[in-house]
Amino acid sequence: GAVVSQHPSWVICKSGTSVKIECRSLDFQATTMFWYRQFPKQSLMLMATSNEGSKATYEQGVEKDKFLINHASLTLSTLTVTSAHPEDSSFYICSAGSLMAAGANVLTFGAGSRLTVL
Amino acid sequence: AQKVTQAQTEISVVEKEDVTLDCVYETRDTTYYLFWYKQPPSGELVFLIRRNSFDEQNEISGRYSWNFQKSTSSFNFTITASQVVDSAVYFCALSEARNQGGKLIFGQGTELSVKP
Repeated sequence: GAVVSQHPSWVICKSGTSVKIECRSLDFQATTMFWYRQFPKQSLMLMATSNEGSKATYEQGVEKDKFLINHASLTLSTLTVTSAHPEDSSFYICSAGSLMAAGANVLTFGAGSRLTVL
Repeated sequence: AQKVTQAQTEISVVEKEDVTLDCVYETRDTTYYLFWYKQPPSGELVFLIRRNSFDEQNEISGRYSWNFQKSTSSFNFTITASQVVDSAVYFCALSEARNQGGKLIFGQGTELSVKP
């Protein structure tokens, strides 16, 4: 089945530094990937839709300059948390869709990346 | 606007009990997709089921079953003879057809604890 690899699985960084998280579709091409954020004991909230070869579409309230998304190829999307602060500490999960013959996406999620900003 | 509500924040049962997790959704679209995911402590989301809005047949997969009722906008999930390994957070999610099954709106999640 479709596999999405997310790296790193966890990262600890100092306040003010930038952190890059990668999301790769291993055995299929994904023109669209999605980035979610999950705070402890809370639900997953969509941050942005990453489109290959074009700008990402951000959800309301998500700072695009804070969370830089690049989707340079059909198998890789990256999320960079710039100038990270403790309030950015969260679990970040990506997903990628492979289009079924019926025209519906089957989403596969990465294992998530836990970011802790000190 | 689309919305998913899981009214049960936490459920605790004893092993072998049956348990039902409720999910109610709101959407203006006539075509949409509903999902259930399991999130164990490791954090990874485990896909359980996807159902499109035109298929109201209930589904059974081993100890898992799903009851989809459009009349009440509900998509409930039942675990029969629960086991300790079922302990996890379960999320119900909705995707509207124009998103072709992508861009999920998640419910708040239900944390299920199955005690031996």
